[in-house]
Amino acid sequence: DTAVSQTPKYLVTQMGNDKSIKCEQNLGHDTMYWYKQDSKKFLKIMFSYNNKELIINETVPNRFSPKSPDKAHLNLHINSLELGDSAVYFCASSPPAGGPNEQFFGPGTRLTVL
Amino acid sequence: QKEVEQDPGPLSVPEGAIVSLNCTYSNSAFQYFMWYRQYSRKGPELLMYTYSSGNKEDGRFTAQVDKSSKYISLFIRDSQPSDSATYLCAMTGGSNYKLTFGKGTLLTVNP
Repeated sequence: DTAVSQTPKYLVTQMGNDKSIKCEQNLGHDTMYWYKQDSKKFLKIMFSYNNKELIINETVPNRFSPKSPDKAHLNLHINSLELGDSAVYFCASSPPAGGPNEQFFGPGTRLTVL
Repeated sequence: QKEVEQDPGPLSVPEGAIVSLNCTYSNSAFQYFMWYRQYSRKGPELLMYTYSSGNKEDGRFTAQVDKSSKYISLFIRDSQPSDSATYLCAMTGGSNYKLTFGKGTLLTVNP
């Protein structure tokens, strides 16, 4: 059973479109994250939810909107896609804070904006 | 100065070599220090973590933390081609949810 899963795995779309990426974890964790990894492999936190509440919101354009319907799911909706949004987006989950904050990552969604 | 600095490499070594990967950091609030391994086209996976200063060993991997120098290392002994991946250091203060990652070092172990 996959611990953290994402759909779709690949997404190719035109500039200006709106798209969503979905994430689900079956680890029973309360906290989930979205990361963006650019072509140089730099992994940057975008958002984090703890038990459906937004707790981290880094400097990300308003075109990106996360949504957590329950603590096992965290989706990412992107409006008006731009060329610079092309990247790999990773979802992750972790146990409660107060320790090493071990994060478990999904397989990634490779987004290409044409 | 960036919070976490990591030489991106690439680093290429022959099979059986000892590999040393390093990160420096500036935030003295960091208490947990982690190494993630990321194979090509996969998500990062946690290799090991260390709390505060000291060493930790797990098989062929040894993590070292020197808080006084704000310097962490990962050593890989008897490196194998299957160790070829990008290695990312990551750190946190422990009381919040945020992990700060280095940029990753691409390692290739040649047979």
